[in-house]
Amino acid sequence: QVQLVESGGGVVQPGRSLGLSCAASGFTFSHYGMHWVRQAPGKGLEWVAIIWYDGSNKYYADSVKGRFTISRDNSKNTLYLQMNSLRAEDTAIYYCARADAGNTAFDYWGQGTLVTVSS
Amino acid sequence: QSALTQPASVSGSPGQSITISCTGTSSDVGGYNYVSWYQQHPGKAPKLMIYDVSNRPSGVSNRFSGSKSGNTASLTISGLQAADEADYHCNSYTSSSTFVFGTGTKVTVL
Repeated sequence: QVQLVESGGGVVQPGRSLGLSCAASGFTFSHYGMHWVRQAPGKGLEWVAIIWYDGSNKYYADSVKGRFTISRDNSKNTLYLQMNSLRAEDTAIYYCARADAGNTAFDYWGQGTLVTVSS
Repeated sequence: QSALTQPASVSGSPGQSITISCTGTSSDVGGYNYVSWYQQHPGKAPKLMIYDVSNRPSGVSNRFSGSKSGNTASLTISGLQAADEADYHCNSYTSSSTFVFGTGTKVTVL
């Protein structure tokens, strides 16, 4: 069965960096695009970034462009999100999600990891 | 990348049908048949309910259906059940090759 397990969340000061990981299993990771989606406490979902199955293309939300970097290691079945220059408004649960076969929806989700940006 | 507009809340009695709207622009909802819907129970990860406007993934009840007209997509839940009480989020692909979620709708079963 498809499993996505995020890790790396925690408390970090404004302006600092943090890296998240998402370990994938139960499917051929290198065949699927992958997303990061976040949800601030009590708020709706916000799309963050996508990386194509082979890493050849990456797209970002305007709110994180230039500060966050999505990457993947298909040999390790792992997705990453490097977050720099963190702000209080980046506080959220961060989910990794698999892109469906058509790359138009998010068909499997992890349980999320909480990132809190606070001094 | 403004969020798609959804009503904050929708309610209905068991057995009734409800419809949640999701309004965007010609650069997202209106421009592509790539609208999806997600159900999220408290403290849980979202679950895909509808993709490509009106398609249901395997295992999703046929009580859930989707449609689109112009810049507005809709999710209809028929035969409302207590288990349907959750938050629902729409999403669309955009002309910038990015994605955008809706503001989210809380469904209450009276």
